Amino acid sequence: DAKTTQPNSMESNEEEPVHLPCNHSTISGTDYIHWYRQLPSQGPEYVIHGLTSNVNNRMASLAIAEDRKSSTLILHRATLRDAAVYYCILAYSGGGADGLTFGKGTHLIIQP
Amino acid sequence: GAVVSQHPSRVICKSGTSVKIECRSLDFQATTMFWYRQFPKQSLMLMATSNEGSKATYEQGVEKDKFLINHASLTLSTLTVTSAHPEDSSFYICSASSGIWGSPLHFGNGTRLTVT
Repeated sequence: DAKTTQPNSMESNEEEPVHLPCNHSTISGTDYIHWYRQLPSQGPEYVIHGLTSNVNNRMASLAIAEDRKSSTLILHRATLRDAAVYYCILAYSGGGADGLTFGKGTHLIIQP
Repeated sequence: GAVVSQHPSRVICKSGTSVKIECRSLDFQATTMFWYRQFPKQSLMLMATSNEGSKATYEQGVEKDKFLINHASLTLSTLTVTSAHPEDSSFYICSASSGIWGSPLHFGNGTRLTVT
């Protein structure tokens, strides 16, 4: 699987937007960009995924660069419950065939 | 959204005994299930992939005779840790795929195994 690079940690204030970056310069044309998050002592939770176009759902937005070599997860209004480790993962077929390879992710800290 | 149930959430067992962990997809048929292990302050590591009705495929370094995986139906996969030792203590997480191209994986809430 192609690798992703994320900052180890980020800090933000409650009720402010958060932009979590991810670089994936070796992405292939068939790789989906996935974001998951993991709260302490829980399994990962799906956040959002996309292939080429920007995506929005009730949890977040995903902005994908035109060359697909980077993407940004946007939490529009952070709450304390958004404090988690966020994983940006590339997956051929979405992960259904070969599973997902988790990196170290970004530890998001939300200050009240 | 799709729900994956994992049971038990916590288990403590004595060294040398075996422990079974269940993973169920509650509202979809899971053609493929994955088992991960996570040690404290580390990321998830894929242990094995199981397809319904087939033998599981294990990642390099994972002992197939120690971690027995059964995927007997489209909604249930089990992981049995045999002859557990303290070094097997970890957080085990399952995930399930519907097999639909491009669709995300859904994860269980994990099982905290402590071997004493």
